[in-house]
Amino acid sequence: DAGVIQSPRHEVTEMGQEVTLRCKPISGHNSLFWYRQTMMRGLELLIYFNNNVPIDDSGMPEDRFSAKMPNASFSTLKIQPSEPRDSAVYFCASLFMNTEAFFGQGTRLTVV
Amino acid sequence: KQEVTQIPAALSVPEGENLVLNCSFTDSAIYNLQWFRQDPGKGLTSLLLIQSSQREQTSGRLNASLDKSSGRSTLYIAASQPGDSATYLCAVAGSGNTGKLIFGQGTTLQVKP
Repeated sequence: DAGVIQSPRHEVTEMGQEVTLRCKPISGHNSLFWYRQTMMRGLELLIYFNNNVPIDDSGMPEDRFSAKMPNASFSTLKIQPSEPRDSAVYFCASLFMNTEAFFGQGTRLTVV
Repeated sequence: KQEVTQIPAALSVPEGENLVLNCSFTDSAIYNLQWFRQDPGKGLTSLLLIQSSQREQTSGRLNASLDKSSGRSTLYIAASQPGDSATYLCAVAGSGNTGKLIFGQGTTLQVKP
């Protein structure tokens, strides 16, 4: 397996634009997580899915953020409209039944 | 609410030294604990996973211990090498069996040749 795949690796966008981040988890994994990493706040859990169902989205900072998992092999995190304070590295991770988590390489988002 | 703390925030050691990284957590009702490594600009790589019923795990020069009752874990790195330079993150999964990981802020390690 190629591991957790995220796209794009880098995204630069203007304030107010819609941004969509994508994640392909490892095949067979049943849990998927979206994290955000900043220097100030470290790694924060935004939302996680179990068997494609959102279980806890309490970490989603605002209604501007939304996430979907239409099937077991794909998830998106959308920010609309984007703001400069959303600039961060966004990670997707997947795991199977509480075993070790595997992280993607991340998407570095810059909102100008 | 679970909180995870890692001390020290940064550490610089000469090559060959043995070292210990510390992780503490406030809620001892955990399912497992993981140690990760993160290189600059990269994702996280899992190093060791300790289930709540275990006391330690070993992989090569790495040994991680877990003392659930005191809310502590340590990562021991033997005979450190410059290639070990990275940020090391500790994360705990709560007892709700969801796999949801709460991370510490990490310890940035520099091993000097």
